[in-house]
This record gives sequence, C-alpha cells and structure tokens, in this order.
Amino acid sequence: EADIYQTPRYLVIGTGKKITLECSQTMGHDKMYWYQQDPGMELHLIHYSYGVNSTEKGDLSSESTVSRIRTEHFPLTLESARPSHTSQYLCASSDPQVGEKLFFGSGTQLSVL
Amino acid sequence: EDKVVQSPLSLVVHEGDTVTLNCSYEVTNFRSLLWYKQEKKAPTFLFMLTSSGIEKKSGRLSSILDKKELSSILNITATQTGDSAIYLCAVASNYQLIWGAGTKLIIKP
Repeated sequence: EADIYQTPRYLVIGTGKKITLECSQTMGHDKMYWYQQDPGMELHLIHYSYGVNSTEKGDLSSESTVSRIRTEHFPLTLESARPSHTSQYLCASSDPQVGEKLFFGSGTQLSVL
Repeated sequence: EDKVVQSPLSLVVHEGDTVTLNCSYEVTNFRSLLWYKQEKKAPTFLFMLTSSGIEKKSGRLSSILDKKELSSILNITATQTGDSAIYLCAVASNYQLIWGAGTKLIIKP
C-alpha cells in the first residue's frame, strides 16, 4: 500500500546530540517537505525538495539539513540538538501533477532536554 | 505578507450539532485552498478548492470557496465524536502553502 512513513514516532535526547529523522514514501512522489509544528500553531516549512539532488530551505530558519539521494527517502538531520528544537516534525510528499495536495507522515515528536 | 486566518480557534459542541469553520486569506497569486483534518499527528486531506471548483461535498462534510470575500467555510452536519480534531486550512500561492493555525473542534457525546 502506498504510504509515507516517519521514524521514530517519539524521540527524547540530550542537548548536543546529533539526530536524524527518517522519512520514506512509496508513492513515487517527486516533491517532499519537512514541516515543524508546535501545539496550536501553524505548520512551518523548514525544507523541501523537488526531486533527487534537489533541496531548498523553507520560510522557517532552521539549523537542520536534509538530503535527497533517492526519490523515496528524505531524511532530516540536526547536527547538535538544543531544547529550542523541541517540536513536532512532519514529513509530507506531493505529486505536482495533481496540485498542492499533500500526503503526511505520522510525525516525529522530538524532545530535547 | 501572505497570511491565512482561521476562526474560531476552538469550538465545543454536542453530538448532532452542525458546525461551520471559517478560513480567510490574503495571498498573492491564489492557486487553491485546501482543508485538512488532524486527529493525532498526521493531517489527512479533506478538500481542495480552486477557481474552477468552488464547492465540494463528501458525506456530512462540505466546503465552499468565496473568492470575492477571500474566504472559505467548512461545514460539518450531524457531528459525531469522531469529528473531534484540529481542522487546518492552507492556501497555495505561487510555489508554497500558507497554513492557518487551525480550529480545534471538540464534539461532546
């Protein structure tokens, strides 16, 4: 079944650790996104990709990086986590042929102590 | 600056009631307006409205786009406890989506 997967679902780590949030989709979508969402707040775009070897920064300043070596895989890395990074991270993908309809993963809730 | 504003921020009603959620926007180069339902973590797609499709309906849910008033409404009739969620509105402008903060809907049995 075509879907989009995120791991881990929950992560609690200490300050200064390097972490990678995984995102994979089996829908063959070219466009992928990473959003950050705090409770009661809007989704903020932190990174997106139009396809393999394409990555762009979103409107929210972020200390994270992304890579897109394969169509289906779009991991997000924090080199040195800080308490201000505590948030929910949502990965999404879309098919540009169909417009702006996004398919979301289940999210990663990150807590940095 | 492009922005999307949803109202109310939260709403508590009883099962069986009808609710109307609002989304207003100020964006350049409007392309489409989308509604999503977010229950636990992953937002799930409900409707996409464009200039050529200003009204959508699916079961008890319906949505209308008013391009003159730069707004949209999401109606839910005969609400059920399973409708409890955060309802997100997003507007596509140029190459990005601008999101509202959502309306938290709670349906009491």
